[in-house]
Amino acid sequence: AQKVTQAQTEISVVEKEDVTLDCVYETRDTTYYLFWYKQPPSGELVFLIRRNSFDEQNEISGRYSWNFQKSTSSFNFTITASQVVDSAVYFCALRGGTYKYIFGTGTRLKVLA
Amino acid sequence: ETGVTQTPRHLVMGMTNKKSLKCEQHLGHNAMYWYKQSAKKPLELMFVYNFKEQTENNSVPSRFSPECPNSSHLFLHLHTLQPEDSALYLCASSPSQTARYGYTFGSGTRLTVV
Repeated sequence: AQKVTQAQTEISVVEKEDVTLDCVYETRDTTYYLFWYKQPPSGELVFLIRRNSFDEQNEISGRYSWNFQKSTSSFNFTITASQVVDSAVYFCALRGGTYKYIFGTGTRLKVLA
Repeated sequence: ETGVTQTPRHLVMGMTNKKSLKCEQHLGHNAMYWYKQSAKKPLELMFVYNFKEQTENNSVPSRFSPECPNSSHLFLHLHTLQPEDSALYLCASSPSQTARYGYTFGSGTRLTVV
């Protein structure tokens, strides 16, 4: 069975703080892909990053960074120096051999000015 | 402009009404998807179309009827809905139905069934 767990339902931080959103996944597939999406109040999910299961290199894109660790089945997302515009719901997702996306329940991030 | 356009943005309908949701993309994608997003639940995949052919129907009640006349357009026809069908309905597309690609989502239709 495939599963994505985002244990943090809601996180509030003050602007300029760093924040990490956790994602833990379960799969028996050896080849799979992990994704993060951002859903701002406007509604659409915005694709942020995709990692495949063979690439455990961490990635940094501006203030965003992702830590993929197969040993702990985690794919955590860190925002450095958070800004009010980062306020959104963030979804972690897994796609394996069945090509089906399995989404987590999302983490609502509130960045307070 | 997300590349995937959904109309209407908001819809209120009675349980006896018939309405349709529309999704359009001009990204050249060949796979299109309908998702349902309810409060405090994971996104639920409803239907998948790949090259205009339906490839998945995740046990969706027959009061939801999808239509994909071409690779750029996807509809969700609604009839005799229930209040629990109130949700955000999201359309997405991807170059094809394989694992490598992320999706491009529309902004969704916020549906309220009264």
